[in-house]
Amino acid sequence: DTGVSQNPRHKITKRGQNVTFRCDPISEHNRLYWYRQTLGQGPEFLTYFQNEAQLEKSRLLSDRFSAERPKGSFSTLEIQRTEQGDSAMYLCASTTSPGGALGELFFGEGSRLTVL
Amino acid sequence: AQTVTQSQPEMSVQEAETVTLSCTYDTSENNYYLFWYKQPPSRQMILVIRQEAYKQQNATENRFSVNFQKAAKSFSLKISDSQLGDTAMYFCAFQGGSGAGSYQLTFGKGTKLSVIP
Repeated sequence: DTGVSQNPRHKITKRGQNVTFRCDPISEHNRLYWYRQTLGQGPEFLTYFQNEAQLEKSRLLSDRFSAERPKGSFSTLEIQRTEQGDSAMYLCASTTSPGGALGELFFGEGSRLTVL
Repeated sequence: AQTVTQSQPEMSVQEAETVTLSCTYDTSENNYYLFWYKQPPSRQMILVIRQEAYKQQNATENRFSVNFQKAAKSFSLKISDSQLGDTAMYFCAFQGGSGAGSYQLTFGKGTKLSVIP
């Protein structure tokens, strides 16, 4: 399967713990996105990378959140000192970088976080 | 900031019938892009159809077509000959043509479509 892969698919943690999610994009895609989706809502933009550079971060991304994409390949999203409000589905998506339109985003199946 | 509104939280349609999902958006830009994404239950989101704002012709993809009304800032999705596999959440999304909004999608809250056999 050459689609976007996310791990773990589901994480249950206690409030105050740290969690890390991993995303492996489609190999030739140089743009990688993280979105958060809560129940009954559409995905909300968190951050994106072009190759290894993190080019934009949403104000939703508090200082407890950090994302990396070393060497422009896989990406990790870490949440420190988790809070119950962090419970959500974290979606990763990748695409190529055309000159104009964003192009089709290819999404992974998501990592669902439950904070107790 | 751009906003995307989907006013129909849930809809249902009989198999083989036609259904239209509504989407309105707010922007001050003239050039932008609009998308419909489908999220089947427990599966990843996939692109259904996209429309460039500078194109007057409505986009079509097999059974899926859009009605793009730029002046009204409306972008509805029509699904013809509905199939059971069309059961999913449908999200309307906006991408700006310039600036920070051009690097991300802004999604609506979604419409849950159920196709009834």
